[in-house]
Amino acid sequence: DAGVIQSPRHEVTEMGQEVTLRCKPISGHNSLFWYRQTMMRGLELLIYFNNNVPIDDSGMPEDRFSAKMPNASFSTLKIQPSEPRDSAVYFCASRSRTGVNSPLHFGNGTRLTVT
Amino acid sequence: AQKVTQAQTEISVVEKEDVTLDCVYETRDTTYYLFWYKQPPSGELVFLIRRNSFDEQNEISGRYSWNFQKSTSSFNFTITASQVVDSAVYFCALSPTGNQFYFGTGTSLTVIP
Repeated sequence: DAGVIQSPRHEVTEMGQEVTLRCKPISGHNSLFWYRQTMMRGLELLIYFNNNVPIDDSGMPEDRFSAKMPNASFSTLKIQPSEPRDSAVYFCASRSRTGVNSPLHFGNGTRLTVT
Repeated sequence: AQKVTQAQTEISVVEKEDVTLDCVYETRDTTYYLFWYKQPPSGELVFLIRRNSFDEQNEISGRYSWNFQKSTSSFNFTITASQVVDSAVYFCALSPTGNQFYFGTGTSLTVIP
């Protein structure tokens, strides 16, 4: 079974540039989550989707962040323009809704550095 | 309010020692699930175990065991005969019915050879 696939693994960009992070959830999973991890704030939920529909985006820090899920097998998280404080590891996770409170399955994360 | 507290920020043990990682949660829901995840130095988050609020039986999986006590709102994780490969950050998480997960701040475990 392929797990959650994220790309790129590492991204280094300059302040002001647009950054797009990508995620392919596990096939058959219909909930997708984007998390951000930093030393200061730990794991923060940014947004999650059920059946490709955004359900809760209250964790998205500001309008510079946007997320889409055009189909069941792909999601993007975009930051435009990026700022140094956006530097973090961004995780995508998916879960199946067929099991009650099934676990989240995480991708390997994208380490973003904004200089 | 939903909250998970992992009071131990960092723990160091010598190889072969037993170690317990504490997790205390808060929720008003009567039905909820608790999880433990492991984040090794390579960075990925690995699911270890899930328990539901109606099942207080302790669980053992090899050197890992979990003690769930509703009376104290705790879901502690014990590693017996620790090994260097156990060095990681361990996260406890709470999920009431629904889709939200609430993660603790993690406990960084270092096993010294």
